Amino acid sequence: EIVLTQSPATLSLSPGERATLSCRASQSVSTYLAWYQQKPGHAPRILIYDASNRAAGIPARFSGSGSGTDFTLTISSLEPEDFAVYYCQQRSSWPPAFGQGTKVEIK
Amino acid sequence: EVQLLESGGGLVQPGGSLRLSCAASGFTFSDYAMNWVRQTPRRGLEWVSAVPADGSNTYYADSVKGRFTISRDDSTNTLSLQMNSLRAEDTALYYCVKGGGYCHSTNCLPRGDHWGQGTLVTVSS
Repeated sequence: EIVLTQSPATLSLSPGERATLSCRASQSVSTYLAWYQQKPGHAPRILIYDASNRAAGIPARFSGSGSGTDFTLTISSLEPEDFAVYYCQQRSSWPPAFGQGTKVEIK
Repeated sequence: EVQLLESGGGLVQPGGSLRLSCAASGFTFSDYAMNWVRQTPRRGLEWVSAVPADGSNTYYADSVKGRFTISRDDSTNTLSLQMNSLRAEDTALYYCVKGGGYCHSTNCLPRGDHWGQGTLVTVSS
């Protein structure tokens, strides 16, 4: 099974700053990678699919890049509502797998 | 607006059974693969099971294979998960998830396009 490793575990930033989150796969997943945002008490929400495509209604400040084993989620300028936990998910093979998450917290 | 409303969670003893349901609305249910994903603080998010739009196959995580059964009823727009031989490690918040990506009779590579709010399953004596 493919293992996804996210880094860092926690990112402490201020509103307006740029956030860069990493997801590394144990083997190539091509571009079959999605990113989700989860706020406390809420279900995950998809942000990015197939590495770089924004889901419907997702603001342009969210962008994804990468292919193979290394992927990045970038939030260009953090808004107050962006402080949350972010997960990556691969769908290159069954079963789909998630990373352990990166918490973006207010500095 | 897509809505997914899970029900059926609760407290059950080890070895017991539980049936989860998900009432779907706001989209053409029969056109989409559907999934169950669970979450715990310790183990994180785990994709449990999937069923293609045409119901031609079913997919399971190894951890639940042989114990859980996913099914769909397109006449009532309902997704179900029958959980038997429950273990303490099945304790989790279970989400019903509308699938994107690819899920058909020969392979299933889904993503979670829309999620319900979840139903909590606790397995404990």
